[in-house]
Order: sequence, then C-alpha cells, then structure tokens
Amino acid sequence: DAKTTQPNSMESNEEEPVHLPCNHSTISGTDYIHWYRQLPSQGPEYVIHGLTSNVNNRMASLAIAEDRKSSTLILHRATLRDAAVYYCILREKGNQFYFGTGTSLTVIP
Amino acid sequence: NAGVTQTPKFQVLKTGQSMTLQCAQDMNHNSMYWYRQDPGMGLRLIYYSASEGTTDKGEVPNGYNVSRLNKREFSLRLESAAPSQTSVYFCASSPTGVNEQFFGPGTRLTVL
Repeated sequence: DAKTTQPNSMESNEEEPVHLPCNHSTISGTDYIHWYRQLPSQGPEYVIHGLTSNVNNRMASLAIAEDRKSSTLILHRATLRDAAVYYCILREKGNQFYFGTGTSLTVIP
Repeated sequence: NAGVTQTPKFQVLKTGQSMTLQCAQDMNHNSMYWYRQDPGMGLRLIYYSASEGTTDKGEVPNGYNVSRLNKREFSLRLESAAPSQTSVYFCASSPTGVNEQFFGPGTRLTVL
C-alpha cells in the first residue's frame, strides 16, 4: 500500500507560487516527512523535511497539518528550473525512505 | 569533490548473468543506500548500510546482495539477473543523523 498519495501532475505559471499537496494518513508519531525532487535522467535532490512544525529553507517551505496526516510543499516563485517530479516521502525506521509516485510539475513560461 | 559516483552508467545483461554495480562517495558519509526506480515509479529501497560493516534489507531486497567494502564504497550484486530487475539503480549516501541523502547519477540496467 502506498504510504503517501500525491496528484500525478500539476501546472504552474512562472514566477507564481506553487502548492504541492501530499496525504499520509497512516503516518506514525516518529515518521519524518521529506520532500525530494528529480529532474529528468538525474538522481533525486533533497528539498526539505519536517516532523511537526512548519519549516522554511532557501528552496521551499513545508506546511504540515496539525494532525500530520497531510503536508504541502510550497515553492514561493516557480521558475523553469523547478520543473521536475516532486516526491513526498515518509522516513520510517531510521534509514528507510518510502517514495510515492510523485507529482510531475510543469512550469509554464 | 565528486560526490556520489556510480559505475557503469549503462549495462545490458542476459537472463541468468551476474554483475556488480559499484558506488563510491567522497563525502565521508557513514550511511549508504541502494534504490531501484522502475519506469514511471518512485524509488524503492533495496538495501542500506548505516555504517561500515553493517547492512540491512530495505523494501525490495530479493535477488540482490550488497557489500560495504569500506566507508567509501557500497556495491550491489545481482547473482542471476532476471528481466524483472530491469530498472534504473541509484546509490545514495548521508551523514549519520542527517536527513539529507545525496544521490548518484544512476545505472540503467536492462535484462533481456
């Protein structure tokens, strides 16, 4: 069973904010929520992670629901370089990452 | 720094053949990982090594063996390749207790 659920694809206009949703209704209290992105023919790249509180870094923001059953990755101003597949991942049992099928983000110039 | 390197980049095998995928990192990371990615799918963890001398099974370990040769190197071996193992294989590494994993460029394996 999939541990995270994401929309297959989303579109955004360049320089507009993008909100990428993720559902993880079976999350346990110690599971971290991670986001990675993958450009074509490349390995995934770390974006952000969090446990309970909202998080910000230079790339994005992560908003985590109070019950932790969902989260949203926020790209504040989408650029063409942000076009990628975005994966919402639960980190269980220390080093075990469970990738979902991801959301393919298209950025429209 | 080269980061995480993987060899080979591409490989074609016949069913039943064996091969070893090589991975090395120069970031002095303790933890290393092997994933596979099937077309249109997310990555699935095959094996990981939390530190030199230790290995643990991930989500899909059947048909694979691993060796943590030293702190830098973590190899993945297919003893008898099957068409179901056609995939892109990614190696990753991370420092202990740090959430960010650094991925290599991948090895594209086709088993005929």
